[in-house]
Amino acid sequence: DVKVTQSSRYLVKRTGEKVFLECVQDMDHENMFWYRQDPGLGLRLIYFSYDVKMKEKGDIPEGYSVSREKKERFSLILESASTNQTSMYLCASSFGGSQPQHFGDGTRLSIL
Amino acid sequence: AQSVTQLGSHVSVSEGALVLLRCNYSSSVPPYLFWYVQYPNQGLQLLLKYTSAATLVKGINGFEAEFKKSETSFHLTKPSAHMSDAAEYFCAVRNQAGTALIFGKGTTLSVSS
Repeated sequence: DVKVTQSSRYLVKRTGEKVFLECVQDMDHENMFWYRQDPGLGLRLIYFSYDVKMKEKGDIPEGYSVSREKKERFSLILESASTNQTSMYLCASSFGGSQPQHFGDGTRLSIL
Repeated sequence: AQSVTQLGSHVSVSEGALVLLRCNYSSSVPPYLFWYVQYPNQGLQLLLKYTSAATLVKGINGFEAEFKKSETSFHLTKPSAHMSDAAEYFCAVRNQAGTALIFGKGTTLSVSS
């Protein structure tokens, strides 16, 4: 089975902090994705990556950046955390953009 | 542009009743369509996918979906609901570039005994 592991299930940070969310997949997938999930809004794509060191903006990239130095790892960075970034963050991976995505269990991030 | 609309943010059924969750899509290219389920405090799990083969797609846990091009629909059904089906369900369509998926806003399914 594909395993997508997010480093933290719950995280509490303060406004202005730089926050790192880590995601690792074990299936040699080319594509990796970061979403945020908010009630009534579904999943919204923040960034995705289709290869090492390659990245593409999704629908809501403002306030976020990403890093993919190794194929199996995709990091989401909140440069200066704000309270409106309190959310559930989901990482996913797939063999290709049209293929099913495999999700981690999510990180519930609270910014105080 | 690609988009997905899930009709009904909340659906309630009795145990043993038919489950019908509605999804309509808009796509300027032949669509690839997916249904995912999310149980509380978990990530999303793939239920089934349509990739231009058979129009009736069978998935896990007794769910199936029918692709209807004329209606631009991909509704999810299950003949008999079980308490364990209570979860949030998401419909998704491949984006135009074929690089990512676009998700609907989700439908919460409640099952009562």
